[in-house]
Amino acid sequence: AQSVTQPDIHITVSEGASLELRCNYSYGATPYLFWYVQSPGQGLQLLLKYFSGDTLVQGIKGFEAEFKRSQSSFNLRKPSVHWSDAAEYFCALNTGTASKLTFGTGTRLQVTL
Amino acid sequence: EPEVTQTPSHQVTQMGQEVILRCVPISNHLYFYWYRQILGQKVEFLVSFYNNEISEKSEIFDDQFSVERPDGSNFTLKIRSTKLEDSAMYFCASKQLDSNSPLHFGNGTRLTVT
Repeated sequence: AQSVTQPDIHITVSEGASLELRCNYSYGATPYLFWYVQSPGQGLQLLLKYFSGDTLVQGIKGFEAEFKRSQSSFNLRKPSVHWSDAAEYFCALNTGTASKLTFGTGTRLQVTL
Repeated sequence: EPEVTQTPSHQVTQMGQEVILRCVPISNHLYFYWYRQILGQKVEFLVSFYNNEISEKSEIFDDQFSVERPDGSNFTLKIRSTKLEDSAMYFCASKQLDSNSPLHFGNGTRLTVT
């Protein structure tokens, strides 16, 4: 069965600093991978997705993620965080057209000014 | 940009009561989903729906739960007899037929069972 692990429950960074949120997955074949962001009281907004091809994918709000098959990872990065990036970030995986998304437990990002 | 809309945003109900959570998926989407997120926990899959039938459901989705697409636009989740542990944020999602399309989520309905 597939699974997603986000080892960091809570991360605090200063505004303007770089950010990397970790995501590891377990699945026997190439998965479809996603990062979603959830602001307080809001729904889940898609940041970026990986299906195949280029292993470095660009998303909205200046985020990018790199798929590394050898490490079963899909880490999210941003070179310079903004205070408005404070939110909960979820890595997710699915394995086919209509299959369910399996979410990680999320990483709460706090941004200090 | 089209979006998934959910109503109500917050529902309070007494234990044992029936609730219906409503969703309007994006109009050209064909797959529909319900997920839930208990406070402080991860987002969990409940059920997927395609071509007017359930295509997959989790062990959480027991006989107390049902889904329906009563018309061409709405997608509902019914909980027949709510329990305290049903208190959670419920998210509806939809996606296109294309395997490369992602799920689009609504803003959720916060269900509080007292």
